[in-house]
Amino acid sequence: GENVEQHPSTLSVQEGDSAVIKCTYSDSASNYFPWYKQELGKGPQLIIDIRSNVGEKKDQRIAVTLNKTAKHFSLHITETQPEDSAVYFCAAKSIGGFKTIFGAGTRLFVKA
Amino acid sequence: GAVVSQHPSWVICKSGTSVKIECRSLDFQATTMFWYRQFPKQSLMLMATSNEGSKATYEQGVEKDKFLINHASLTLSTLTVTSAHPEDSSFYICSAPDTYTDTQYFGPGTRLTVL
Repeated sequence: GENVEQHPSTLSVQEGDSAVIKCTYSDSASNYFPWYKQELGKGPQLIIDIRSNVGEKKDQRIAVTLNKTAKHFSLHITETQPEDSAVYFCAAKSIGGFKTIFGAGTRLFVKA
Repeated sequence: GAVVSQHPSWVICKSGTSVKIECRSLDFQATTMFWYRQFPKQSLMLMATSNEGSKATYEQGVEKDKFLINHASLTLSTLTVTSAHPEDSSFYICSAPDTYTDTQYFGPGTRLTVL
């Protein structure tokens, strides 16, 4: 069935460094890829998304890249800050499709 | 972005009782809502899809008689955990998709503790 794999499961970086989280998906019909940030005890919050007609999208310190041929997409956080510490989930969905498939999550620790 | 609310944010109940959790889309209509369960340090597990005006669709392994879902209006879905037991203790999160953008928005979650 449809699957989204996410790596790494845990990532620890020093404040100011960059963090990269990578995901791969199996369903070639997927064309919408959102990223969510979940802080402890809260629901996931959408932080950025990308659609298949775009290869890269940036929003301040956050960027997402998509390689449809390889079925890879990645989240890049630059100049990390302690408040970036959270669990990040990637996801994939086909436009008009029924379900969003989530990755297993990456626990990011930003050390001050 | 769109706002989804959940109530209550946390609940503690005795074993054998039933608990109702509400999920509301505050600024958009949602014909479909999703209910997830999340154990500590784990990913989101889809339990069921709530459909306005019709029966919910449950994922494999989820007991429909234990987790009752009602989607009575375009802005409200409820999940009732019936005859709750300690193993039902978990973080329950709902979400609703914005049909125009296909973006899924999550509620803040409900922490259920069954004693």
